[in-house]
Amino acid sequence: NAGVTQTPKFQVLKTGQSMTLQCAQDMNHNSMYWYRQDPGMGLRLIYYSASEGTTDKGEVPNGYNVSRLNKREFSLRLESAAPSQTSVYFCASSVGLAPNYGYTFGSGTRLTVV
Amino acid sequence: DAKTTQPNSMESNEEEPVHLPCNHSTISGTDYIHWYRQLPSQGPEYVIHGLTSNVNNRMASLAIAEDRKSSTLILHRATLRDAAVYYCILRDDQTGTASKLTFGTGTRLQVTL
Repeated sequence: NAGVTQTPKFQVLKTGQSMTLQCAQDMNHNSMYWYRQDPGMGLRLIYYSASEGTTDKGEVPNGYNVSRLNKREFSLRLESAAPSQTSVYFCASSVGLAPNYGYTFGSGTRLTVV
Repeated sequence: DAKTTQPNSMESNEEEPVHLPCNHSTISGTDYIHWYRQLPSQGPEYVIHGLTSNVNNRMASLAIAEDRKSSTLILHRATLRDAAVYYCILRDDQTGTASKLTFGTGTRLQVTL
């Protein structure tokens, strides 16, 4: 099983450019999440999708949009990239939102905005 | 959200047991205790979780204090591949907060030969 697959693995953007980070899971999970991790810090939740057709804001949603394309795929879009969005982005999935479920994370997308 | 406190760093020798502590004195009755680890340049990896009773799986054991105000992640025989940042996280089932893992700074475990 591939688990959670993120593309691309690395990206450099110029300020003001847009891009979409892709995430797909093959575990038939209902819930999916986007996190960002800045150097020396823990992960912070950007957006999540409890189930297909729903999305909700997390802790740091400003500057981002998401789309739950289907049960497998959850994309994160930066409409106008800013240097403050330089970070490592992780996608995750879980069976559901209940607290007794663990998360499976992807390997991350390292984004640099210059 | 209930908060956890972990030491910033710990060291262990290879093939010795490692006990990683976590204090959560304000834990509520519905909070699950989760442990994740993050190896260098990788995404976090689920390790184990529990509610009240001690738990074992192929990766580790979780020992939960009787009053639930603390817990310990036990790696029975540390290897170099266990060098990572270990996160102790509380999750409850309240609306909204149930949706997220809230990561602190964790414990950086160094394993030496």
